[in-house]
Amino acid sequence: GAVVSQHPSWVICKSGTSVKIECRSLDFQATTMFWYRQFPKQSLMLMATSNEGSKATYEQGVEKDKFLINHASLTLSTLTVTSAHPEDSSFYICSARGWGGSRQETQYFGPGTRLLVL
Amino acid sequence: GDSVTQMEGPVTLSEEAFLTINCTYTATGYPSLFWYVQYPGEGLQLLLKATKADDKGSNKGFEATYRKETTSFHLEKGSVQVSDSAVYFCALFPDILTGGGNKLTFGTGTQLKVEL
Repeated sequence: GAVVSQHPSWVICKSGTSVKIECRSLDFQATTMFWYRQFPKQSLMLMATSNEGSKATYEQGVEKDKFLINHASLTLSTLTVTSAHPEDSSFYICSARGWGGSRQETQYFGPGTRLLVL
Repeated sequence: GDSVTQMEGPVTLSEEAFLTINCTYTATGYPSLFWYVQYPGEGLQLLLKATKADDKGSNKGFEATYRKETTSFHLEKGSVQVSDSAVYFCALFPDILTGGGNKLTFGTGTQLKVEL
């Protein structure tokens, strides 16, 4: 079945550094990729939507200069948290929308990346 | 705009008990409806879905029926196991024909704890 991978699964970094998270769709091409943020015991908050080769569309309140998204190909999107601070610590989940073997477009989720900024 | 309302948790059940997690939605037309499950420390997994009225999605013993008349998509399982302990999210994807956009709308999630 369709799989979305994320790397790394865990990252601990010092305040002020930048962190890059990769999201890949395996075995299918993603028409659209999404980046979510999840705080403990809360639902997912959509941060941005991206299509291959075009600029990401950010949700209201999400700083585009803080969270850089690059959608290099139909199977790869990256989220870079620039100059990370402790308040950026969170669980980041990517999602890819595509056919993935199904007769309908379906949205598949990655396993998430837990970021801890010290 | 679109919205999804789920019953608040946590829901605590004994093993083999019957499970219902309520989900209602607000959206135009006929959105697609989903249940996702999130196990501790992991991302979301698609549990089941239904794309048109009266469809029943089912997987791993879980079922949900798309009820247009009550705008509901309640999740049920006849006999839960300890391994079902997780957070369950109800979600909808807009009806493209009504120009509803391309984003999933999630409920707040319901934590299920199953005890021996």
